[in-house]
Amino acid sequence: ETGVTQTPRHLVMGMTNKKSLKCEQHLGHNAMYWYKQSAKKPLELMFVYNFKEQTENNSVPSRFSPECPNSSHLFLHLHTLQPEDSALYLCASRRRENTEAFFGQGTRLTVV
Amino acid sequence: AQSVTQLGSHVSVSEGALVLLRCNYSSSVPPYLFWYVQYPNQGLQLLLKYTSAATLVKGINGFEAEFKKSETSFHLTKPSAHMSDAAEYFCAVSLNDYKLSFGAGTTVTVRA
Repeated sequence: ETGVTQTPRHLVMGMTNKKSLKCEQHLGHNAMYWYKQSAKKPLELMFVYNFKEQTENNSVPSRFSPECPNSSHLFLHLHTLQPEDSALYLCASRRRENTEAFFGQGTRLTVV
Repeated sequence: AQSVTQLGSHVSVSEGALVLLRCNYSSSVPPYLFWYVQYPNQGLQLLLKYTSAATLVKGINGFEAEFKKSETSFHLTKPSAHMSDAAEYFCAVSLNDYKLSFGAGTTVTVRA
């Protein structure tokens, strides 16, 4: 248990669906992250939020839309996804720069 | 810009043998370095971190890593492998910002 909780753990969605991934931390951390982990590929940084402000967007397609309403919650809204978007989506948080990140268990997303 | 390179995508060791996982970093300023472990369908768990204090860092589960500035390396070792060490290992680097970049990962298998 790392203190970072992701829901749901598994999600199967069609290409025309809209769904959201949720991440929650009550560690008092100021930064939250979304990473994508695909089979046979390195961990890809998608978005970084620092004090609720987006500070990094790694050229992520617009079909992924992040939302950070407060320092404890982070969402990833999904719409019109493609099969190649199937992956493990990991949320992480950090207290400040130079400290370690704490990861959630991930959401295994399958797009059919 | 910072980056890490992990040499060897797969490492196979016998139970009781030395585990050595290699990580080299690229950074224009003193980096902060981390090693994480990931078990199947789980998030990443911190093994150890280097944050400019002692160059030899001890972590959990008997792992340690040595920061060598002259070689720009942060290799991970464990003197005696256990079956439970079978997992994927990631090296990560951070500078004085919130970006956290990961290597491609090294999968460790342990032979009985």
